[in-house]
Amino acid sequence: QKEVEQNSGPLSVPEGAIASLNCTYSDRGSQSFFWYRQYSGKSPELIMFIYSNGDKEDGRFTAQLNKASQYVSLLIRDSQPSDSATYLCAVKGTSGTYKYIFGTGTRLKVLA
Amino acid sequence: EADIYQTPRYLVIGTGKKITLECSQTMGHDKMYWYQQDPGMELHLIHYSYGVNSTEKGDLSSESTVSRIRTEHFPLTLESARPSHTSQYLCASNEGLAEQFFGPGTRLTVL
Repeated sequence: QKEVEQNSGPLSVPEGAIASLNCTYSDRGSQSFFWYRQYSGKSPELIMFIYSNGDKEDGRFTAQLNKASQYVSLLIRDSQPSDSATYLCAVKGTSGTYKYIFGTGTRLKVLA
Repeated sequence: EADIYQTPRYLVIGTGKKITLECSQTMGHDKMYWYQQDPGMELHLIHYSYGVNSTEKGDLSSESTVSRIRTEHFPLTLESARPSHTSQYLCASNEGLAEQFFGPGTRLTVL
């Protein structure tokens, strides 16, 4: 089992719809959770981070964290073609390590 | 805004050459990282550093070496480049538990 798992996709949604991206992690002591967007040929850029259970909203993006079930999700409302990219989930492990574990990413396609 | 720089952005080089990929950040971050990523594939951590004079190997076996003599600078060196080293190399930095900021990457092609 990988430490951070994501469905590779592609996830296709029509323009204006809600895109839901999921990520599960294996280290129960994980402390910090991040969503990055990566366009083809570019470097990852941070969209959101979340540290506490519950929802965190920023514009069209909502991150959801459930530590008991060990999953974190990203919702994109009113999806736009410009949201088409690969979305990487990253998890900061238990204290004592400075490594961030990245998932393989979910490729999102927003259809105009 | 994140200020992390990588040079060169693109490099095409012959087999056996020694190369150094540069990474600098102006944010004063104590932690820096090197990742390798093939097109459409996942990020692989190859080296990281907690601070000056502190470096560790990552999860992906790599023939490269790194050094951290100054906080802002974290160069990666390949003593003898091979075609299998062809990839994109991404540098990142962060402070504490905060998010990592990524540089623009170096796309390396070894002929």
